[in-house]
Amino acid sequence: GAGVSQSPRYKVAKRGQDVALRCDPISGHVSLFWYQQALGQGPEFLTYFQNEAQLDKSGLPSDRFFAERPEGSVSTLKIQRTQQEDSAVYLCASSRETSTDTQYFGPGTRLTVL
Amino acid sequence: GDSVTQMEGPVTLSEEAFLTINCTYTATGYPSLFWYVQYPGEGLQLLLKATKADDKGSNKGFEATYRKETTSFHLEKGSVQVSDSAVYFCALRTTDSWGKLQFGAGTQVVVTP
Repeated sequence: GAGVSQSPRYKVAKRGQDVALRCDPISGHVSLFWYQQALGQGPEFLTYFQNEAQLDKSGLPSDRFFAERPEGSVSTLKIQRTQQEDSAVYLCASSRETSTDTQYFGPGTRLTVL
Repeated sequence: GDSVTQMEGPVTLSEEAFLTINCTYTATGYPSLFWYVQYPGEGLQLLLKATKADDKGSNKGFEATYRKETTSFHLEKGSVQVSDSAVYFCALRTTDSWGKLQFGAGTQVVVTP
């Protein structure tokens, strides 16, 4: 079966633009995570969904960041009024059932804000 | 707060050399510990894990033992290959965190023929 997919793989935005990043988890996976990975750093947790419920959004850095998973499958991470410090790779991961199952990562979306 | 510290890279080795990447952690309670690997151009992959003290995780010739007394989870491989060139991330997951992973900064390993 297919793994986690993300689109676009690369996104260049001008400062102040809004962007939307998509994650398609492995089919049937209940849990979905978003992480942000700055250059040369490890991934940092952003938010967690169990089906359509967003149970933890403690890692979202500001109210410009918003995530949704309306039907419990595909998720979108939206960043409003992008700033240069938002430049990073955004990773999505899914796990089969509970949040303690193994997380499978997508290839990431590299966002560059000019 | 909870955190993971791992040795800085790059670590450059010759093929068949012994590899150790140090990882220490700070956490309350009894976290689960992980090593993830990122090969060039690919996504993060779980390499091995350990969920309680004294557990040893192993995969593809790599091993790591969960040492609670030293709060460490060092990664080792006895004989590396060129194909092991990658970035390695140590991570922890606490029981009260909805499963989120906390990663170290990563260690790049370069194996030369």
